[in-house]
Amino acid sequence: GAGVSQSPSNKVTEKGKDVELRCDPISGHTALYWYRQSLGQGLEFLIYFQGNSAPDKSGLPSDRFSAERTGGSVSTLTIQRTQQEDSAVYLCASSLRSGRTAQNEQFFGPGTRLTVL
Amino acid sequence: GQQLNQSPQSMFIQEGEDVSMNCTSSSIFNTWLWYKQDPGEGPVLLIALYKAGELTSNGRLTAQFGITRKDSFLNISASIPSDVGIYFCAGQDRNTDKLIFGTGTRLQVFP
Repeated sequence: GAGVSQSPSNKVTEKGKDVELRCDPISGHTALYWYRQSLGQGLEFLIYFQGNSAPDKSGLPSDRFSAERTGGSVSTLTIQRTQQEDSAVYLCASSLRSGRTAQNEQFFGPGTRLTVL
Repeated sequence: GQQLNQSPQSMFIQEGEDVSMNCTSSSIFNTWLWYKQDPGEGPVLLIALYKAGELTSNGRLTAQFGITRKDSFLNISASIPSDVGIYFCAGQDRNTDKLIFGTGTRLQVFP
């Protein structure tokens, strides 16, 4: 009964480098969400996957950000040419999204703390 | 990105006291949620509200879905030290289920 897992838990990178953040959702969960939490702030939506497709990418802040999901399971968030303002905690959540409201609870992973120097 | 207005920003209370926090939005939501986040963890769902005017309790927690569907409040009664954390409200998009979060209320409980 594993929950949502994310890796790495911490990532320190230099400005201009690319980073990849990984999310392993709960097995069987068809919906997957990425959020970003800047220091002392609430969470901001980035992108939503239903299966392998992303019907809502409206929260991605720039074209340096992209995400993919393969096999309806693992998702990777990629940030190219990182900037200091990208520093934040990146959180992933998954849900059954069965169409029955009570089963659409999103379960969150512990997040990846990204620091861009 | 869009965030909901949540107040107060922080609260420092004594163990045993009651706490109230609220959240407002310029948009209508059909589902309101309240989460708690501990340091180094992701948010955990406390209460979900699905109907305007609904009042729901979960132990010492009580939350209400405003009749206008643009606001919600959360009450915690008889606070205890493990209530310490950051509380977030969230409105849920009806099409994608994506969550629009409030700015958070940081709660400190002193013995």
